[in-house]
Amino acid sequence: DGGITQSPKYLFRKEGQNVTLSCEQNLNHDAMYWYRQDPGQGLRLIYYSQIVNDFQKGDIAEGYSVSREKKESFPLTVTSAQKNPTAFYLCASTAGGALRFEAFFGQGTRLTVV
Amino acid sequence: QKEVEQDPGPLSVPEGAIVSLNCTYSNSAFQYFMWYRQYSRKGPELLMYTYSSGNKEDGRFTAQVDKSSKYISLFIRDSQPSDSATYLCAMRVYNFNKFYFGSGTKLNVKP
Repeated sequence: DGGITQSPKYLFRKEGQNVTLSCEQNLNHDAMYWYRQDPGQGLRLIYYSQIVNDFQKGDIAEGYSVSREKKESFPLTVTSAQKNPTAFYLCASTAGGALRFEAFFGQGTRLTVV
Repeated sequence: QKEVEQDPGPLSVPEGAIVSLNCTYSNSAFQYFMWYRQYSRKGPELLMYTYSSGNKEDGRFTAQVDKSSKYISLFIRDSQPSDSATYLCAMRVYNFNKFYFGSGTKLNVKP
């Protein structure tokens, strides 16, 4: 089945550590996204990538980094510079274009600072 | 002002009721509109997607877009307890792959 796989489902980070969240898709989608979801705040865009080897900052990119070396993979690193990283992180992708414009989501990674 | 506004609820209805969920937006360039359902601690699941104005029906769900009023709606007929979730609206402009989301409306359908 085609879809988006995020791992791990739960992740615990100590203060000062960098952690990387995985996102893999087998939908052959060009564009991929990372969102952060906090209670009562909806989805906030961290980074997005329209094509391989290219990505743009979203609304809350500070303290995060990404790479897009392969079409199917878009990992997110939460660095120690992110002061409040505890949140639910969602990866999404879209085929893009006029005919297939909707976004599809993974099941999320819940990150907790301990 | 946010580009997409959505009442956070919670909205509580009895089983079998008709539910109306709404979003307003400010950017007249939005042309693609989506509704997602999100259960607790899960990723959003695409329910409906529509292009431009008009209605689209799928089973118990109807999506409605009124571009002149910058207003979209999702109607759920014969609501079920399994419909209890948070509903997110989303939209984007043509030819630009950035999505704008509402903050979500929490729906509780009581048996």
